[in-house]
Amino acid sequence: DGGITQSPKYLFRKEGQNVTLSCEQNLNHDAMYWYRQDPGQGLRLIYYSQIVNDFQKGDIAEGYSVSREKKESFPLTVTSAQKNPTAFYLCASKDGSGANVLTFGAGSRLTVL
Amino acid sequence: QKEVEQNSGPLSVPEGAIASLNCTYSDRGSQSFFWYRQYSGKSPELIMFIYSNGDKEDGRFTAQLNKASQYVSLLIRDSQPSDSATYLCAVKRVRANNLFFGTGTRLTVIP
Repeated sequence: DGGITQSPKYLFRKEGQNVTLSCEQNLNHDAMYWYRQDPGQGLRLIYYSQIVNDFQKGDIAEGYSVSREKKESFPLTVTSAQKNPTAFYLCASKDGSGANVLTFGAGSRLTVL
Repeated sequence: QKEVEQNSGPLSVPEGAIASLNCTYSDRGSQSFFWYRQYSGKSPELIMFIYSNGDKEDGRFTAQLNKASQYVSLLIRDSQPSDSATYLCAVKRVRANNLFFGTGTRLTVIP
């Protein structure tokens, strides 16, 4: 079955530690996205990538980094510079058909202790 | 002004009733409009999308778009308790590569 796999589902981190969230898709989609969701604030875009080896900052990129070395993979690193990292992180991808439909992974919930 | 605005709710309707969810957007040039459903603790899943003015029906769901009023709505007919979730409205602007999401409306269908 085609889809998007995010791991881990739950992650606990101590302050000052970097963590990397994995996102893998087998949908053959070119574009991939990372969103952050906080209670009452909807989804906010962190980074997105339209093609391998290229990515752009979204609205809240500070304290995060990404890479896109393979079409299937778009990992997100939450660095110690991110002041408020506790949130639900959603990875999504979009095909090139022009429909602009985003398909989401199951999400990763990060808690900073 | 937010790109996409939704009433956060909660909206409560009895089982079998019509639930009406509303969304307004700020960019008049927006071209595509999406409704996603999100159950608590889960990721959003697409219900339907609409591009053109008017109504689009899919089963119990109808999306309505009025570009002149910058307004998009979702009607759920014969509401079921399983429809209880948060409904996210999303908009794609011209020349933007991502979707802008509203904060969502929480719907509760009472048995």
